[in-house]
Amino acid sequence: SAVISQKPSRDICQRGTSLTIQCQVDSQVTMMFWYRQQPGQSLTLIATANQGSEATYESGFVIDKFPISRPNLTFSTLTVSNMSPEDSSIYLCSVERGQGASEQFFGPGTRLTVL
Amino acid sequence: AQSVTQPDIHITVSEGASLELRCNYSYGATPYLFWYVQSPGQGLQLLLKYFSGDTLVQGIKGFEAEFKRSQSSFNLRKPSVHWSDAAEYFCAVLGGGFKTIFGAGTRLFVKA
Repeated sequence: SAVISQKPSRDICQRGTSLTIQCQVDSQVTMMFWYRQQPGQSLTLIATANQGSEATYESGFVIDKFPISRPNLTFSTLTVSNMSPEDSSIYLCSVERGQGASEQFFGPGTRLTVL
Repeated sequence: AQSVTQPDIHITVSEGASLELRCNYSYGATPYLFWYVQSPGQGLQLLLKYFSGDTLVQGIKGFEAEFKRSQSSFNLRKPSVHWSDAAEYFCAVLGGGFKTIFGAGTRLFVKA
């Protein structure tokens, strides 16, 4: 398994501001992902965080809104930019140890409320 | 297109009763299937997975799931539910590009 921590665990932000969420893993992993879980909804993949290159975004998500960094194999950040109330969600980091054919391990999530 | 359907938005069972949560998938090849549980305010925890072999898989916390290719199903079961099992349960399939596709989730309520 993998132990994943996220900071902050929750935050309340004003519209128009930005928040950076950190994800730290206790060991090196191949793949890291960022998900959004809107209230009462399932998980939606935002992007795959690639080490040493630009993240791969899913349809409907763009780098300007959700810039992602992954400076090494144990750490990644997701920024939610120019926030609006519609961005209020839980943001989850997950990792996969293998080469893309195994289960994912999830962080505890960051609960974001935008006023 | 690859997809996962969980027909039940929520289910209520009595403590000690048996449980079955339904999951149907749509995937062209042999699927890799998962069940995750999310307790309130928590991240997701893997309950069990199916990659190949025995179609009845055992997981943690007394859960099991059965893969039925003919029905494109991967239902989760537990013979006796405990109050601590109240949570949201997500079925998922590993799709193309190694991306995990999640179902909408089933919220389980347990009554005393």
